[in-house]
Amino acid sequence: AQTVTQSQPEMSVQEAETVTLSCTYDTSESNYYLFWYKQPPSRQMILVIRQEAYKQQNATENRFSVNFQKAAKSFSLKISDSQLGDTAMYFCASLSGNTGKLIFGQGTTLQVKP
Amino acid sequence: GAGVSQSPSNKVTEKGKDVELRCDPISGHTALYWYRQSLGQGLEFLIYFQGNSAPDKSGLPSDRFSAERTGGSVSTLTIQRTQQEDSAVYLCASSSGLAVPYNEQFFGPGTRLTVL
Repeated sequence: AQTVTQSQPEMSVQEAETVTLSCTYDTSESNYYLFWYKQPPSRQMILVIRQEAYKQQNATENRFSVNFQKAAKSFSLKISDSQLGDTAMYFCASLSGNTGKLIFGQGTTLQVKP
Repeated sequence: GAGVSQSPSNKVTEKGKDVELRCDPISGHTALYWYRQSLGQGLEFLIYFQGNSAPDKSGLPSDRFSAERTGGSVSTLTIQRTQQEDSAVYLCASSSGLAVPYNEQFFGPGTRLTVL
């Protein structure tokens, strides 16, 4: 079975600084996808970034980038130039099999302080 | 609207009552997912629909939980004889279900269920 683990329940960062959220996963599948989702207080889950396991290059989306270490089964999210609007809960997730269901980590609550 | 919608936004019920939660996916999306977000269990998968059939219902926690989808569109999650541990946010997501490497799931705003 796939598992996803986020070991940081809460984090905080000063506005304009950089923060890294950690995630580890376990899967027996040879090809898989990993995601970071953002959930602000509105509860709306928003896809932040995705990584295909077969791609060695780390994904980047504007201020968001990942550090994908396949051998270590690690998938961390780096947020550069943090903004107040980044305050939210962040979930790491993996895509399971051919049904497409997502397996989520426990989440990390990030607070960006002015 | 163009997004996934869910109703009601909030639901308070008494222990033992039945509740129905509704999800309207994005038009044309064939795949639909239900997830539950609770304090003790995090965010967990409940059931997956492809069209009107549910090939994966492995996440339903008990036989008090059931779901159906009609016309390949709207889905209803029903919880019978609600218990306090059913209190959670129930999220619905849909995707295009096309044969591509992966299909992005678009989430609704969720229904917060409180069982007194």
